[in-house]
Amino acid sequence: EDQVTQSPEALRLQEGESSSLNCSYTVSGLRGLFWYRQDPGKGPEFLFTLYSAGEEKEKERLKATLTKKESFLHITAPKPEDSATYLCAGAGGTSYGKLTFGQGTILTVHP
Amino acid sequence: NAGVMQNPRHLVRRRGQEARLRCSPMKGHSHVYWYRQLPEEGLKFMVYLQKENIIDESGMPKERFSAEFPKEGPSILRIQQVVRGDSAAYFCASSPKNTEAFFGQGTRLTVV
Repeated sequence: EDQVTQSPEALRLQEGESSSLNCSYTVSGLRGLFWYRQDPGKGPEFLFTLYSAGEEKEKERLKATLTKKESFLHITAPKPEDSATYLCAGAGGTSYGKLTFGQGTILTVHP
Repeated sequence: NAGVMQNPRHLVRRRGQEARLRCSPMKGHSHVYWYRQLPEEGLKFMVYLQKENIIDESGMPKERFSAEFPKEGPSILRIQQVVRGDSAAYFCASSPKNTEAFFGQGTRLTVV
């Protein structure tokens, strides 16, 4: 059975304090590893897709990396508006839309 | 380009009633996915549809739940004879082909 585990469950940072979120995955026939951001009461917002080990993608203060067993979301000099739940998900099988999600990391950035 | 549209945003049903949740995918997207997020739990895949076809319903409960994506109109997730345990946020996502999926804002179902 496919499994995605995220750690930590919650992370509190001061503004400007860089850190990383972890995503460990066991997904049969992985086609892609996805990161989404979810704000309270909203739907997940797409951030990145990573397709193969060694791949990296960046967007503003976020950088996602992928190994054969894990993915990391690095947050550099975060701001309060980066506060959200960050979700990691793996797509196996034949569709990129059939995702196995982790439980998420709740990030809070204090000014 | 409007995003994935779900309605209603909030739905209250009494036990035993039917709930109908609607999802209009992004323009040009022919693949639709439904997910459920129970309180304090992660997002769980329910069903994958293309126009007039159910591709994968491996995450759908065996009874009371059904989904369709007709040739014309939105995708519908239907829950018959709702129970308290059906209270959750239901999210729809769409993609144009085999690429990343984009999510709607969800329908929050409360069963009283």
